[in-house]
Amino acid sequence: GENVEQHPSTLSVQEGDSAVIKCTYSDSASNYFPWYKQELGKRPQLIIDIRSNVGEKKDQRIAVTLNKTAKHFSLHITETQPEDSAVYFCAASKGQAGTALIFGKGTTLSVSS
Amino acid sequence: GAVVSQHPSWVICKSGTSVKIECRSLDFQATTMFWYRQFPKQSLMLMATSNEGSKATYEQGVEKDKFLINHASLTLSTLTVTSAHPEDSSFYICSARRGSENTGELFFGEGSRLTVL
Repeated sequence: GENVEQHPSTLSVQEGDSAVIKCTYSDSASNYFPWYKQELGKRPQLIIDIRSNVGEKKDQRIAVTLNKTAKHFSLHITETQPEDSAVYFCAASKGQAGTALIFGKGTTLSVSS
Repeated sequence: GAVVSQHPSWVICKSGTSVKIECRSLDFQATTMFWYRQFPKQSLMLMATSNEGSKATYEQGVEKDKFLINHASLTLSTLTVTSAHPEDSSFYICSARRGSENTGELFFGEGSRLTVL
């Protein structure tokens, strides 16, 4: 089955700096790669996703890149703000209706002002 | 976005009792729902895939007789933790996609925090 590795487990940055979180996946058939932000005690919230027919996607301060050959994808947050502090999870799946997401172990991002 | 709702949000029970958690898709039909478990400061671990009208598919290491899943309609899946023990204390989250294929986004319920005394 799919295995998703995520690094780093913790990341501390100064407000305004950029943050990068990296993930690798094992199943070459995976074609959907979302990123979720989770605040303590709450449900994960989708912040951006990318499908395998695209190499990069951007939404304001957030971008995701995908390298299918190397089977890795990354989350980039620019101009970080204290409210970006949370746990971020990458995930992968085949993107079909009956297929679950497999999550990475998460990255705790702390943005200090 | 689509709405998935879970109930209850919090539950405290005594060891040995059973607890039922409901997951509803409020504005779409979900032939498949997914149940995850999340221990403190850990990731979401897939427990099982719930299929409407048929048996659930459990992940390796998850006891199907302990975690009973019923998906009797296109908008409701239930997870029953039977004979709960303190080690079952966790955050349980359900999720679902809309019915069409190749629609990637997974919508999550609010989660249910179970504490077994």
